[in-house]
Amino acid sequence: EDQVTQSPEALRLQEGESSSLNCSYTVSGLRGLFWYRQDPGKGPEFLFTLYSAGEEKEKERLKATLTKKESFLHITAPKPEDSATYLCAVQVYGNKLVFGAGTILRVKS
Amino acid sequence: DAGVTQSPTHLIKTRGQQVTLRCSPISGHKSVSWYQQVLGQGPQFIFQYYEKEERGRGNFPDRFSARQFPNYSSELNVNALLLGDSALYLCASSSDRAAGELFFGEGSRLTVL
Repeated sequence: EDQVTQSPEALRLQEGESSSLNCSYTVSGLRGLFWYRQDPGKGPEFLFTLYSAGEEKEKERLKATLTKKESFLHITAPKPEDSATYLCAVQVYGNKLVFGAGTILRVKS
Repeated sequence: DAGVTQSPTHLIKTRGQQVTLRCSPISGHKSVSWYQQVLGQGPQFIFQYYEKEERGRGNFPDRFSARQFPNYSSELNVNALLLGDSALYLCASSSDRAAGELFFGEGSRLTVL
């Protein structure tokens, strides 16, 4: 059964304090691993897609990496506006993604 | 361009009632999917529709049904509501090029009393 586990559940950082979020997964044949950002009361917003081990994607202060068993979302010098829930998901087929429970990130100024 | 739009944004129902949620995808997107998100959890897949045909169904009871119209908009119906159906219902659309890159609406918050 496809499964995604994210850690930590919650993370508090000071502005400028870099850190990483973890997403470990078990899937029968990885079709794609996705990172989304979700603000309170909103729908998730697509950030990155990773398809193969060793792949990396960057966007502003965020960098996503992928190994055969896990993915990391690195946040460099975060700002308060980076506060959100970050969701990781694996694609089973088509639009069917299996999501983790998310990491709630709070960045204080 | 408009993103994915959903209606209503909030609704309150009582146990046993029925509810219909509506979704309009991004222009040009033929695929629509529905997800349920319970507080503190990640979204859980309910249905995918592509050009009016069901392409996938998650582990939800038959009380949940959906359909897609010729203009690619979609409806999700839930019958015989239970307290446990209280959740944020998310609609997402995607292009043919990247089926996993979902564009979500802001959701319909359903409360069942």
